[in-house]
Amino acid sequence: DAGVIQSPRHEVTEMGQEVTLRCKPISGHDYLFWYRQTMMRGLELLIYFNNNVPIDDSGMPEDRFSAKMPNASFSTLKIQPSEPRDSAVYFCASSFPGAHQHFGDGTRLSIL
Amino acid sequence: GQQLNQSPQSMFIQEGEDVSMNCTSSSIFNTWLWYKQEPGEGPVLLIALYKAGELTSNGRLTAQFGITRKDSFLNISASIPSDVGIYFCAGPNAGGTSYGKLTFGQGTILTVHP
Repeated sequence: DAGVIQSPRHEVTEMGQEVTLRCKPISGHDYLFWYRQTMMRGLELLIYFNNNVPIDDSGMPEDRFSAKMPNASFSTLKIQPSEPRDSAVYFCASSFPGAHQHFGDGTRLSIL
Repeated sequence: GQQLNQSPQSMFIQEGEDVSMNCTSSSIFNTWLWYKQEPGEGPVLLIALYKAGELTSNGRLTAQFGITRKDSFLNISASIPSDVGIYFCAGPNAGGTSYGKLTFGQGTILTVHP
């Protein structure tokens, strides 16, 4: 069975550019989560969706970050404009109600 | 908000040794989850605990849900090089179940020398 699929796996871009990260959750999962991982702050939840609706975006660092889930099989996390401090590994995870979260392999983002 | 404190932060051990790590919280958790993250990959669930006092095994891994519901322990017996990675404890935020927001510990980095 396919797991959570994230793309791209690596992204290197210059400061000020728009960055779009993509996620395909496991089919049938109702919940989708976006996390950011850094050495300093560990794993941080940015936002999560239930049935394509954003439930809690209190972890989104600032207005430069936005996330959408236009349908049950696709979500994007966008950073515009990007800054060097946004460099991190971004994970997407999905789950059934009442079950643990399945993580993708992440997107390693470097902002120069 | 809720915080999970893991210890130790890192461990360097010889192959064959046993490993113990723990996770504590100032608030009660109803579920404890232990994840492992290998280099270049996302965290993968190892063990889930749902009841205070519960002791659950998965191969060489054993985890326990503390009686106070404020701590959990993970043990790895007879470590092997592929046990290398970061081990995270996690639990649902207050009022949630395991499908809602999770709080993660800061992780224990395990290095195993052959």
